[in-house]
Amino acid sequence: DAKTTQPNSMESNEEEPVHLPCNHSTISGTDYIHWYRQLPSQGPEYVIHGLTSNVNNRMASLAIAEDRKSSTLILHRATLRDAAVYYCILRGPIQGAQKLVFGQGTRLTINP
Amino acid sequence: GAGVSQTPSNKVTEKGKYVELRCDPISGHTALYWYRQSLGQGPEFLIYFQGTGAADDSGLPNDRFFAVRPEGSVSTLKIQRTERGDSAVYLCASSDAPGYRGNTEAFFGQGTRLTVV
Repeated sequence: DAKTTQPNSMESNEEEPVHLPCNHSTISGTDYIHWYRQLPSQGPEYVIHGLTSNVNNRMASLAIAEDRKSSTLILHRATLRDAAVYYCILRGPIQGAQKLVFGQGTRLTINP
Repeated sequence: GAGVSQTPSNKVTEKGKYVELRCDPISGHTALYWYRQSLGQGPEFLIYFQGTGAADDSGLPNDRFFAVRPEGSVSTLKIQRTERGDSAVYLCASSDAPGYRGNTEAFFGQGTRLTVV
């Protein structure tokens, strides 16, 4: 399984932007970059995914490096409800790669 | 609409007993996944169904664990001779495409917290 590396924890202030980094130097050409988050006592929740181009949705933006070896999840204006563990995951079409493989993720703390 | 439903939400059982955990995926979703999450860890993959068949069961830790999805919708995770180390939150997820591409979103349930005493 292709692996990702994320910082164990990050801290930010409410209403400020947050940039969550992820390294995935062994990514293959067909792997999509997915982000999920897990709020306390809940199941993981899909945030965003992309392949090569930057992506935006109502929750966040995903910036993908040109060589695709890293990406950054951007929360434009953090709220207290964004405090969660954020997981960066590679998912591809190769047989056996359909499952989501979670690492330790980044625990994001938001200060009021 | 209804999301992924898991029952029971909590289960306490004695060591050595048999337990069944149920997952109702989103209607029409062909792919179904089971994960196990221990405290402070990320979810650990157990098994993936595409329709009725187990397409990938490489994450099942041993032969005490078994899962079925006989009609391609509801799935049951079965654990025989439970051990204290089986205590964890068991998560189920479903998605509406087989995942042969990599661009499908998975929807997770709230999980079943299993405690083996």
